[in-house]
Amino acid sequence: GIQVEQSPPDLILQEGANSTLRCNFSDSVNNLQWFHQNPWGQLINLFYIPSGTKQNGRLSATTVATERYSLLYISSSQTTDSGVYFCAARGGSGGGADGLTFGKGTHLIIQP
Amino acid sequence: KAGVTQTPRYLIKTRGQQVTLSCSPISGHRSVSWYQQTPGQGLQFLFEYFSETQRNKGNFPGRFSGRQFSNSRSEMNVSTLELGDSALYLCASSLIRGGEQYFGPGTRLTVT
Repeated sequence: GIQVEQSPPDLILQEGANSTLRCNFSDSVNNLQWFHQNPWGQLINLFYIPSGTKQNGRLSATTVATERYSLLYISSSQTTDSGVYFCAARGGSGGGADGLTFGKGTHLIIQP
Repeated sequence: KAGVTQTPRYLIKTRGQQVTLSCSPISGHRSVSWYQQTPGQGLQFLFEYFSETQRNKGNFPGRFSGRQFSNSRSEMNVSTLELGDSALYLCASSLIRGGEQYFGPGTRLTVT
């Protein structure tokens, strides 16, 4: 099945800084999503972005499907941005026979 | 529109027992997927249901099973519980197979 790798595994920044989180995937995808997991464990949808670029406030994401990577940008970080960010993909071959494959996540800490 | 709901939120069971977890998808969503999250293995796909039929299954033993009802609500069952089954179990729904998935708050299962 598809492999998903995220980097960096940990990131510590000062409030106000910008950050870039990367997700590499091993095959074509028909679904790619970015999530933020809150302290209670719930996965909050950030972007559904199998290709192209999207923006939502201080967050934006770009997926370059031909080169098999996606980037999540966080600008002007706030302490509330802290947490674990997951990238998840569903392979495009075989009719999307599998569920979402998750990366190991990036643990982001924003210090005041 | 109400989000994905899961019950119960917390559960403590003893080894050898069985457990049933419930998931109600977003109204109108017909696809329900289940995932297991543990510190060691991360987030892993368990199975997907669509139109009351299991469509895909991840690499889990037969002790893990599920079903979907005509109203798209889903249940998963784990029989003969083992200590390693302690995890956060997450349910997700999507409008169509392969579409954007929305997650519930999860059920945190502890096996003692």
